Amino acid sequence: AQTVTQSQPEMSVQEAETVTLSCTYDTSENNYYLFWYKQPPSRQMILVIRQEAYKQQNATENRFSVNFQKAAKSFSLKISDSQLGDTAMYFCAFMNNNAGNMLTFGGGTRLMVKP
Amino acid sequence: DGGITQSPKYLFRKEGQNVTLSCEQNLNHDAMYWYRQDPGQGLRLIYYSQIVNDFQKGDIAEGYSVSREKKESFPLTVTSAQKNPTAFYLCASTSTGIPTGSNQPQHFGDGTRLSIL
Repeated sequence: AQTVTQSQPEMSVQEAETVTLSCTYDTSENNYYLFWYKQPPSRQMILVIRQEAYKQQNATENRFSVNFQKAAKSFSLKISDSQLGDTAMYFCAFMNNNAGNMLTFGGGTRLMVKP
Repeated sequence: DGGITQSPKYLFRKEGQNVTLSCEQNLNHDAMYWYRQDPGQGLRLIYYSQIVNDFQKGDIAEGYSVSREKKESFPLTVTSAQKNPTAFYLCASTSTGIPTGSNQPQHFGDGTRLSIL
């Protein structure tokens, strides 16, 4: 079974600054996917970024990028030029390539962007 | 627009009552999932279905039941056996990558908040 750990329950950042959210996972699988989802106060789950484990290059989506360290089983999210709309819960999630596309979620990090 | 529709948005359950949460998708996705989210916590998998007329238990299936009679629909019934049903319930769907071989991320509905009367 996989486990996903987010060690930072809450974080805050000043608007326009950069913040990094941590995520570690434990698995014996070699082929898998990792995701960061954002959940704003509206409670919608919004996909932020995804990373395939077989790709060495870190994924980037505009202001969002990841630092994927496969050997260390680490998958951190960096948000650059933070905006007030980035205030939300952020969840790291693991998907086993061979297990029905099921997601295992971390406990979440609550991010507050301050003006 | 393609998407996942969950209804109702808010639901109240009386003691001893079964209630059913609806989830419909028009994305032509094969797989559908139900998650439970408790305040300040992550999502936990209740049930999932990869194909019509087949479904599997997730990590916290006790007190819940599902059906998958149509590809588009995956309703969740919270039975009276679920003693602590107050939570936020999220439905998701995805393409399983068969036969394309490409795993896709899950798309989520807007959720149903269930409370006890």
